Amino acid sequence: GQSLEQPSEVTAVEGAIVQINCTYQTSGFYGLSWYQQHDGGAPTFLSYNALDGLEETGRFSSFLSRSDSYGYLLLQELQMKDSASYFCAVRDMDSSYKLIFGSGTRLLVRP
Amino acid sequence: DTGVSQDPRHKITKRGQNVTFRCDPISEHNRLYWYRQTLGQGPEFLTYFQNEAQLEKSRLLSDRFSAERPKGSFSTLEIQRTEQGDSAMYLCASTATSGGLNEQFFGPGTRLTVL
Repeated sequence: GQSLEQPSEVTAVEGAIVQINCTYQTSGFYGLSWYQQHDGGAPTFLSYNALDGLEETGRFSSFLSRSDSYGYLLLQELQMKDSASYFCAVRDMDSSYKLIFGSGTRLLVRP
Repeated sequence: DTGVSQDPRHKITKRGQNVTFRCDPISEHNRLYWYRQTLGQGPEFLTYFQNEAQLEKSRLLSDRFSAERPKGSFSTLEIQRTEQGDSAMYLCASTATSGGLNEQFFGPGTRLTVL
């Protein structure tokens, strides 16, 4: 089976940097994705890491270490609009490319 | 708007009734997924279509659930004899085989409440 663990909640101050960790246990691995979901909204894709290292997209960066079965999402220059739930997800190893999601980290950005 | 759309956005029904949801994926996307999400949890995979073929169903999907994608475009998810445990957000997502397989585009979901 596959399982992912991430903290349930993180609080940070506007303008700060926050890191959301994700550890996974999978029988096969094709990459780690991150999705953002605002309350009442649809999950939206943020990033994907297939190889070890850091991927940067604007204020958001994502890191993967396959040897440690670990990744993180780094959010810089936090804004109030970043308050949302963040999910890590791995792609299942069959041909469906379906996603297996963690239970999510709720980020609260305070002024 | 060329994103994934779902209808209805909200559905309230009484236990034992049947409900049907619709998903219209992004037009050029041949892969379509249904997920279910409960409060405080991540989306859970239910079923997957490639074009009109339903290629995978989760063990979560009891025989009360059925999904179709008759022409390889829109999809419907039907729940028969609804139970209170079916209350959840039902999300549809799509992606294309040719490039971009790592990004799934989600619709706004249908929130089902079973009384």
